[in-house]
Amino acid sequence: SQTIHQWPATLVQPVGSPLSLECTVEGTSNPNLYWYRQAAGRGLQLLFYSVGIGQISSEVPQNLSASRPQDRQFILSSKKLLLSDSGFYLCAWIVAGGGDTQYFGPGTRLTVL
Amino acid sequence: GENVEQHPSTLSVQEGDSAVIKCTYSDSASNYFPWYKQELGKRPQLIIDIRSNVGEKKDQRIAVTLNKTAKHFSLHITETQPEDSAVYFCAARGYSTLTFGKGTMLLVSP
Repeated sequence: SQTIHQWPATLVQPVGSPLSLECTVEGTSNPNLYWYRQAAGRGLQLLFYSVGIGQISSEVPQNLSASRPQDRQFILSSKKLLLSDSGFYLCAWIVAGGGDTQYFGPGTRLTVL
Repeated sequence: GENVEQHPSTLSVQEGDSAVIKCTYSDSASNYFPWYKQELGKRPQLIIDIRSNVGEKKDQRIAVTLNKTAKHFSLHITETQPEDSAVYFCAARGYSTLTFGKGTMLLVSP
């Protein structure tokens, strides 16, 4: 069966520090992968999505970037965090080739101080 | 792009009552409409979905209806229980991404 992992689960970082969040999917090949951010008490904001290795689409231009170095690995990065980057970061995946159902990872809760 | 509106933002019901959450979408090309339940501090979990070739789908106490002509879809929860308390999100898929509504906080009082 397919599973999705995210780490770390929680993270507290100072303003101006770098960020690297990792998402890994098991049990499937060539999934579509997504990064969402959820501010406290708010909705789901799509940040990036990828349909294959090295293919990244950005939905919201900001100080974040994403990379997909391997088929089942999706990384979210920042060179310098802002206070407004605090939130719950969720990775999600869909089976490639016409699948509809989207599953979310357990999330990373980021607090920027 | 797609725009999804969700109402109400908060819904309070008594245990045993029914709850209805409504969403509208803008892109007539959207063809897949899932609903997610998110408990506090946890990931959204898919609870039911419907595709554009179906008008209604039911799974025990929850059901979803879709009106393609009017471009709206609704979630119906019957015989609500305290454990149904959560935030519910609707979404619509057009090309390759889901567009989510802003969420409805459902509070079920015992």
